[in-house]
Amino acid sequence: NAGVTQTPKFQVLKTGQSMTLQCAQDMNHNSMYWYRQDPGMGLRLIYYSASEGTTDKGEVPNGYNVSRLNKREFSLRLESAAPSQTSVYFCASSEGVPGPKYGYTFGSGTRLTVV
Amino acid sequence: AQRVTQPEKLLSVFKGAPVELKCNYSYSGSPELFWYVQYSRQRLQLLLRHISRESIKGFTADLNKGETSFHLKKPFAQEEDSAMYYCALNPGGYGNNRLAFGKGNQVVVIP
Repeated sequence: NAGVTQTPKFQVLKTGQSMTLQCAQDMNHNSMYWYRQDPGMGLRLIYYSASEGTTDKGEVPNGYNVSRLNKREFSLRLESAAPSQTSVYFCASSEGVPGPKYGYTFGSGTRLTVV
Repeated sequence: AQRVTQPEKLLSVFKGAPVELKCNYSYSGSPELFWYVQYSRQRLQLLLRHISRESIKGFTADLNKGETSFHLKKPFAQEEDSAMYYCALNPGGYGNNRLAFGKGNQVVVIP
């Protein structure tokens, strides 16, 4: 039982490059989320998908796009990476109906550095 | 909008001493509260849910609706408790589909 799987685990980008972070869950959860974690800032929600076919902005969506490809997969795209996007990115999922009643299951994170 | 406040960024305690991490929230309804823990370079893991009323790894947390708090406590800290701890709130109900997290507490247990 893999839970939530994120790829890649580490990535270094040059300013202006694009990339997609992948996330997949095998728990048949309805809701999926992307957070970034920065020192002193805690966890900030970038985008979320309450159910297959829907996506919504979180606190810090600028510079990112998402795709809920199917119930299992939720990807995060950086179209033109900036140094301010250097962070650790976590994907999470929850049963989601209604709301994350039982909390989230998190992936292992992607450590992204933009130079 | 709901907000979760963890006032202390860094908490250093000696092994065997009690540890208390404070969490206050602002929300008028009946939220569900969680504590998550993140050990060094690992994923976040659920530590406690208030609805479970359980003790995990010696930690307990009581929801105080009057004080809008959900403080995490352990009577005797161990070195393996060194980690980052996050308090989180689920407002509940349809349309509230995500958790609000505090900024976290870094706990360092000194041998």
